[in-house]
Amino acid sequence: QVQLQESGPGLVEPSETLSLTCTVAGASINSNFWSWIRQPPGRGLECIGYIYHTGRIDYNPSLKSRVTISLDTSKNQFSLHLSSVIAADTAVYYCASGYEIFDYWGQGALVTVSS
Amino acid sequence: EIVMTQSPPTLSVSPGERATLSCRASQSLSSNLAWYQQKPGQAPRLLIYGASTRATGVPARFSGSGSGTEFTLTISSLQSGDFAIYYCHQYNNWPYTFGQGTKLEIK
Repeated sequence: QVQLQESGPGLVEPSETLSLTCTVAGASINSNFWSWIRQPPGRGLECIGYIYHTGRIDYNPSLKSRVTISLDTSKNQFSLHLSSVIAADTAVYYCASGYEIFDYWGQGALVTVSS
Repeated sequence: EIVMTQSPPTLSVSPGERATLSCRASQSLSSNLAWYQQKPGQAPRLLIYGASTRATGVPARFSGSGSGTEFTLTISSLQSGDFAIYYCHQYNNWPYTFGQGTKLEIK
């Protein structure tokens, strides 16, 4: 059974960088695509981007200038960095396995952008 | 970016009855369409992919149909645990996008 767990600060100040890590258990980080998805409170879902261990990465064009996704194979983790955050970036951030369909999800991490 | 439109926004159905949820894409997806179920405070759960293939462990009362731009999720004989929000999701063109959801509530 694949399990994913997000971790990181729950509060980020405007203009700062949001950083989250997803720890994967039950599967190798080298075995699949891995994605970040977010959901603003009370709203729908948005794909942020995905990564594969070969170096293939893609980001949502709406966020591309501010987002970086990376892998740490030694820790079986992947990470999200979103720079210059604003209030509209407040959301539950999910990590998930896959990049077209998402069969395993983390429980989600609420990140609030506020001073 | 492909826009996904779900209807209705809210659907009220009695337990034991059938629910039919619709999803329309702004351009053709072939069969690259998935459905997810989300309950309050939980991550979405994959139900259907390839427009009509049930994910592992999904009960047979969930079925998906459609291709191109029109898709349907049907839940026959609703059970109490089925009342949730359902999202369609296209993975034909990046950025992959979700519909705004249909809330299935108890009548």
